[in-house]
This record gives sequence, structure tokens and C-alpha cells, in this order.
Amino acid sequence: DGGITQSPKYLFRKEGQNVTLSCEQNLNHDAMYWYRQDPGQGLRLIYYSQIVNDFQKGDIAEGYSVSREKKESFPLTVTSAQKNPTAFYLCASSIRKTRTGLLTEQYFGPGTRLTVT
Amino acid sequence: AQTVTQSQPEMSVQEAETVTLSCTYDTSESDYYLFWYKQPPSRQMILVIRQEAYKQQNATENRFSVNFQKAAKSFSLKISDSQLGDAAMYFCAYRSARAGGTSYGKLTFGQGTILTVHP
Repeated sequence: DGGITQSPKYLFRKEGQNVTLSCEQNLNHDAMYWYRQDPGQGLRLIYYSQIVNDFQKGDIAEGYSVSREKKESFPLTVTSAQKNPTAFYLCASSIRKTRTGLLTEQYFGPGTRLTVT
Repeated sequence: AQTVTQSQPEMSVQEAETVTLSCTYDTSESDYYLFWYKQPPSRQMILVIRQEAYKQQNATENRFSVNFQKAAKSFSLKISDSQLGDAAMYFCAYRSARAGGTSYGKLTFGQGTILTVHP
């Protein structure tokens, strides 16, 4: 089945450790995104990538890093520099319409709940 | 910068009744897309409906419809014949339709509205 997978579903880390969240899609989508969701709040964009080997900072990129070496994969690393890393992290992807370059709506993975103590 | 506001933190509805969720947004752009996403307790974000700003006709998807008022920058979601499975957090989201630019493709979300459906 086509879709977006995020692993693991729950992740626990000690403060001061870096941790990498996985996001894989087999939809052949061009663009991929990482969002953070805190309790009672909407989603905020961390990083996004429109094509392989290129990515852009979102609204809250500090303390995070990403890579886009393959079209289907967009891992997010939460570094020790992130002050409040405990949150729910959602990955999304969308396809680019090649004739116009317009990106369509985003489809989301199931998310990873990260708890840092 | 664009902003999206959902002024109703919580709403409730009786099963089979109709409920309307409100959303307003602020933008200086004329071409954009608006979305409603549903997030059930599983926390999976599910696209409910989308509206292109250049289209005057309101989008509909089965029991879900929107009231898009471009001049007022309002985008409400109406759920008809509410079902228990509609209970979820609902998010309104904005995306620019302008090609290029560093924020292209980015979704800006509202704070969400928790919908409770009573049997």
C-alpha cells in the first residue's frame, strides 16, 4: 500500500542526546515536510524539502536538522540544542504538478511522539 | 505573513445534527488554498476538504461543505448529519498558491477546534 510511514510511534530520550525521527514515503511525492504539534496547538513547520538534496527552514528550525538524500526519505534530527523537544512530530508529503510547478495538498504520516526527560 | 485563527476551542453537536466550525485568516495574497484537516484520537491528520481561492463555488465533500467568504477572509466548515466518527480535532489551514518563494508549499494552521459528538 502507498503511504507515509514514521517510526517509531513513541520515542524516549534522555536530555542532551540527539535523536533522529524517520519519515519514508512510497507515493513518489516530490516535497516533504516536518511539523511539530504541542498540546492544544496547531502544527508548526520545522523544515521542508521540495526536491532531493534541497531543504528550507520553516518557522521553528532552531535545534533541528534534516537531510534529503533520497526522494522517499526525509529524516529529522532533534539535537540537544532544541530547548523543548518533547512534542508530537508529523511528517507530510505532497506531489508537484510538473507543468505548473504547483504543489498540491499535503498528506500526513501517523506521527512520532517524542518524550525527552 | 499569513495567520489563521479558529476562535472556537471546543464545539459539540448531537448525532445527526449539523454543526459549523469557524475559521478566519489574514493574507495579502489573492491566490491561495484553504483546507480543513481532521485529527481523530489516533492523531493521524486526514484531509477533509479543500478550497481554491479563485473558485467562487463552495467546495463540498459528501456531508462536509464550506462557506468561503473571500472578502471577509472567512472559511467555515459545515458538517451535516453528524456521526460519532466525526469526533476529532479540526484544523483550518492556509497555503499560498504563488509559485516560487521560500515559503512555497508551507501550510499555516489554526489552533484547532475539538468537536464532540453526543449520541
